[in-house]
Amino acid sequence: AQSVTQLDSHVSVSEGTPVLLRCNYSSSYSPSLFWYVQHPNKGLQLLLKYTSAATLVKGINGFEAEFKKSETSFHLTKPSAHMSDAAEYFCVVTSTGTASKLTFGTGTRLQVTL
Amino acid sequence: DAGVIQSPRHEVTEMGQEVTLRCKPISGHNSLFWYRQTMMRGLELLIYFNNNVPIDDSGMPEDRFSAKMPNASFSTLKIQPSEPRDSAVYFCASLGLAGGTDTQYFGPGTRLTVL
Repeated sequence: AQSVTQLDSHVSVSEGTPVLLRCNYSSSYSPSLFWYVQHPNKGLQLLLKYTSAATLVKGINGFEAEFKKSETSFHLTKPSAHMSDAAEYFCVVTSTGTASKLTFGTGTRLQVTL
Repeated sequence: DAGVIQSPRHEVTEMGQEVTLRCKPISGHNSLFWYRQTMMRGLELLIYFNNNVPIDDSGMPEDRFSAKMPNASFSTLKIQPSEPRDSAVYFCASLGLAGGTDTQYFGPGTRLTVL
């Protein structure tokens, strides 16, 4: 069984300040973890993924995430928020060894203010 | 690279009408997925195909929904008859390798409104 919990449904930050979006997972086997971003009226775009290589994963647009097995967490961070980062972010897990069976979190809406 | 292509982008129809959503996966991808996104239920997997064969359709809500993949470059999701509760954004995704591991790539979605 696998599941993912996004701890915040909504996060608001000021432009230029750090971003932290929290995600905890549960998995029976070694998981693969993903972060997807969805801008308004758009499809989901892959930000980054962890697949048992380096625990610190760098993605597009300056985002990164760290896999912490002891804490079963995969939090998404960015040092400095930009207005264009405002979107919905989904943490996703699969433990089947393939990305065919994904389990999505409920999403975190990131608001960036001036 | 054109990405996953979906049509139409928006569809407004009346209850009882047939609706057909279309998807063209990324060339070379062997698996295709249909998802539905609503505020209440989030993202739900409806069905997925591997090499044009339906593998898991346990997420299809009821017999009014059907999906086909007649060839590797085209799939349809049909709702007949449509109901207001079917209003949602429907996404298609295809599965391919990226950096040595497989990854799902999503289309832009079809926003369906059933009046």
